[in-house]
Amino acid sequence: AQKITQTQPGMFVQEKEAVTLDCTYDTSDQSYGLFWYKQPSSGEMIFLIYQGSYDEQNATEGRYSLNFQKARKSANLVISASQLGDSAMYFCAMRGYTGNQFYFGTGTSLTVIP
Amino acid sequence: NAGVTQTPKFQVLKTGQSMTLQCAQDMNHEYMSWYRQDPGMGLRLIHYSVGAGITDQGEVPNGYNVSRSTTEDFPLRLLSAAPSQTSVYFCASSYLTGTGADTQYFGPGTRLTVL
Repeated sequence: AQKITQTQPGMFVQEKEAVTLDCTYDTSDQSYGLFWYKQPSSGEMIFLIYQGSYDEQNATEGRYSLNFQKARKSANLVISASQLGDSAMYFCAMRGYTGNQFYFGTGTSLTVIP
Repeated sequence: NAGVTQTPKFQVLKTGQSMTLQCAQDMNHEYMSWYRQDPGMGLRLIHYSVGAGITDQGEVPNGYNVSRSTTEDFPLRLLSAAPSQTSVYFCASSYLTGTGADTQYFGPGTRLTVL
């Protein structure tokens, strides 16, 4: 069975500091993708970053990077130099080779403190 | 390029009423899906489709029907609304992939309240 676990319901970070949001996954698929989405208070879902299971390098997109540790089945999101606009819910998701479905974690609420 | 559109944005129903949430995408994506989002539960898959004429159930399909007559449209029907269906509903689409790649693109969501 496919499963995504986010164990941090809420996180706080000081502005300009870095923060790591945890995500672990479980899958029997050999090929899969890992995604992070941001949901601000306005409600839309915004795609942030993608990591393929066969990618050897960790993905980066601007201030976002994905710390991918395949053996530990973890895909943590690192946000560097936090900004007030980073305050939002963050969801980790996985898409397997089987069925093409996406599986989501329960999310982490991040609050950036000025 | 409008992306994924959903209508309506807000809806209030009475218990037992039926309605259809509309979803359309203009990116020629094969894969479309419906989720509901409830506090503390993340996004849960209701139904999904991998192409016109092909639909399948997700994690929480009871009380919902879907159809996919065209690539662009994927409406979600509530057959007899119940208060437990009060939620925010998201439609999403993506390309099909054999490797797990390709993100989903989400519509703006529909906030549904059932009284």
